[in-house]
Amino acid sequence: NAGVMQNPRHLVRRRGQEARLRCSPMKGHSHVYWYRQLPEEGLKFMVYLQKENIIDESGMPKERFSAEFPKEGPSILRIQQVVRGDSAAYFCASSPRTSGGVSTDTQYFGPGTRLTVL
Amino acid sequence: AQSVAQPEDQVNVAEGNPLTVKCTYSVSGNPYLFWYVQYPNRGLQFLLKYITGDNLVKGSYGFEAEFNKSQTSFHLKKPSALVSDSALYFCAVRDVNKLSFGAGTTVTVRA
Repeated sequence: NAGVMQNPRHLVRRRGQEARLRCSPMKGHSHVYWYRQLPEEGLKFMVYLQKENIIDESGMPKERFSAEFPKEGPSILRIQQVVRGDSAAYFCASSPRTSGGVSTDTQYFGPGTRLTVL
Repeated sequence: AQSVAQPEDQVNVAEGNPLTVKCTYSVSGNPYLFWYVQYPNRGLQFLLKYITGDNLVKGSYGFEAEFNKSQTSFHLKKPSALVSDSALYFCAVRDVNKLSFGAGTTVTVRA
């Protein structure tokens, strides 16, 4: 049973370019979460998605960042016009379900994409 | 908002000695608490979680954690540490749709 898959593992972009990060959840999981780990900092929540729906994007920067989880294919985190401050490790996690209210389901993490902006 | 704190940036122990990584929580309602471990340049691996029930939770790789409501703590423990346990450990609390993480504790186990 494959775990959460992320690609690419490493991504180098120049300032002003676009970065696309992909995440395939574990088999049977329909809920995806994106987190960012900045150097010397802990993990910060960015966005929570279900198939074709953004449920919670309270942690997403207001500009340049977007996320989607289409009916078919992986979840995509897109960063437009990258700046050096976007350099970080971006982790995707998935869980099997979330009922109303606070879920107790475990989130399983992928290996991350390390973005470097030159 | 729910939050956790890890008061120690680093913990150093000798191989074979007990290992404790501290975590305290601040929540409204029932706390759903998690421990993850991160090895260098890797993702987070789930170790264990507390939802309800027994205060002592057993997890992967010989780790366990004790939920203490009166002290609002959820410390991670291992009776006999291994060099391979050297890693970055995160405590987390479920906050509606997301996990809120502590800053992390770097554990170094010396041979």
